[in-house]
Amino acid sequence: GESVGLHLPTLSVQEGDNSIINCAYSNSASDYFIWYKQESGKGPQFIIDIRSNMDKRQGQRVTVLLNKTVKHLSLQIAATQPGDSAVYFCAENSGGYQKVTFGTGTKLQVIP
Amino acid sequence: KAGVTQTPRYLIKTRGQQVTLSCSPISGHRSVSWYQQTPGQGLQFLFEYFSETQRNKGNFPGRFSGRQFSNSRSEMNVSTLELGDSALYLCASSRGDDTGELFFGEGSRLTVL
Repeated sequence: GESVGLHLPTLSVQEGDNSIINCAYSNSASDYFIWYKQESGKGPQFIIDIRSNMDKRQGQRVTVLLNKTVKHLSLQIAATQPGDSAVYFCAENSGGYQKVTFGTGTKLQVIP
Repeated sequence: KAGVTQTPRYLIKTRGQQVTLSCSPISGHRSVSWYQQTPGQGLQFLFEYFSETQRNKGNFPGRFSGRQFSNSRSEMNVSTLELGDSALYLCASSRGDDTGELFFGEGSRLTVL
C-alpha cells in the first residue's frame, strides 16, 4: 500500500548550520510531495511542495529535492534558526484531489 | 483572513459515548479534510469533503463519519467511543485542487476515559 517513511526520528543541529531532513516514499503514482512543519500545540503548517515532474524547488531558506529513481525526498533548511525547531512531516498526494498521506515525522532540535 | 477554526479545542468523553467536532474552513475554501493524530500512528487521513460531497475516505471504521454543509463548514462524528479514539483530530481546508497544500486548524484534543 501507500507509505511515506522517514529515515531519522530526531535530528539535532547547531544554530546557523544547514539541516537536511530525509524521507522515503513508495507510491510512484504520487503527483505532489509536500513538507509540513508542526510546532508544539499547533496544527501542521505547509512549507513547500514539489510536483513529481520536478527534481528541485527552492523557497525562502528551504529547498526540496526529489529523486524519483530511488523514491527519495529531502528538505534542506539553510542557516537553521531556533524557530525552526519542530516536527517535520513529508507527505504525498497520490489519491487525487486532497487525499494526502503523511510520513511519521522527524523532530528537528536546534542547539543555540 | 481568518484561519481554520476547530471547536471544541478539548473534550473528555467516556467509552460508548459519541462526539461531534466542528470545523470552519478558510473563507473561499471548498475542501475540508479530517485527520487523526496519535503518537503511535501519526497523522492518519479520515476523509475529505468538497462541495458537500465526500470525495476521499481513509481506512477507519464506520463509527467515524462526517459531513459538510453548504457554507463549507464541516463536522465529524465518532460514535460508540473507544479508548483508542483518544487523539488530536485535525481539520484542514484547501481550495480543493490536487496539490496537497492544506491549511490546518489547531485541532480538537479528545480524551476517552
